[in-house]
Amino acid sequence: EAGVAQSPRYKIIEKRQSVAFWCNPISGHATLYWYQQILGQGPKLLIQFQNNGVVDDSQLPKDRFSAERLKGVDSTLKIQPAKLEDSAVYLCASSSQLVNRTSGTIYFGEGSWLTVV
Amino acid sequence: GNSVTQMEGPVTLSEEAFLTINCTYTATGYPSLFWYVQYPGEGLQLLLKATKADDKGSNKGFEATYRKETTSFHLEKGSVQVSDSAVYFCALKGYQKVTFGTGTKLQVIP
Repeated sequence: EAGVAQSPRYKIIEKRQSVAFWCNPISGHATLYWYQQILGQGPKLLIQFQNNGVVDDSQLPKDRFSAERLKGVDSTLKIQPAKLEDSAVYLCASSSQLVNRTSGTIYFGEGSWLTVV
Repeated sequence: GNSVTQMEGPVTLSEEAFLTINCTYTATGYPSLFWYVQYPGEGLQLLLKATKADDKGSNKGFEATYRKETTSFHLEKGSVQVSDSAVYFCALKGYQKVTFGTGTKLQVIP
């Protein structure tokens, strides 16, 4: 079974530029997550989708971050304009379980490593 | 809300030593509990999980038991190897959200 695919793996941009990350979840997984992981910290949820609907985006900085999941499969996360403090790993994850279930493993991609200079 | 507390690291052990990484949680309802491992430069990989009280998750010599009475899910391994050096995250999955601990870095020296 193919895992969660993410691209690009690494990106270096200057502040105020924009960047987009792409995620392809495991086939058939209804729930998709984007996490931000700053070096030395645990992952922080940015946004959670169930199919193509947003379940939770309470911690997404909406003035600069946006995400979409068209057709309930692939997803993109965009940052515009980027700030220095956005330097982090952006992790995409997916789960087969619906959001109102406690069971169901979350599987992570390798992450997209962003450096803002 | 739900929360996960892990012991602070880094934890440094000699090869073949016994490992315990403590994890306690606060949650409503009956969450599932997970341990994830993150090797340098990589994403999070599921190490083991338990979905109900008294369940024991195990994988690659690691074990953790879901203790509802003490709200704990401590990670243990009888004999660590250099290749176990990584950051370990305890996580809790409730009805809506997944909550992660801050991670514990393990360094195993030969």
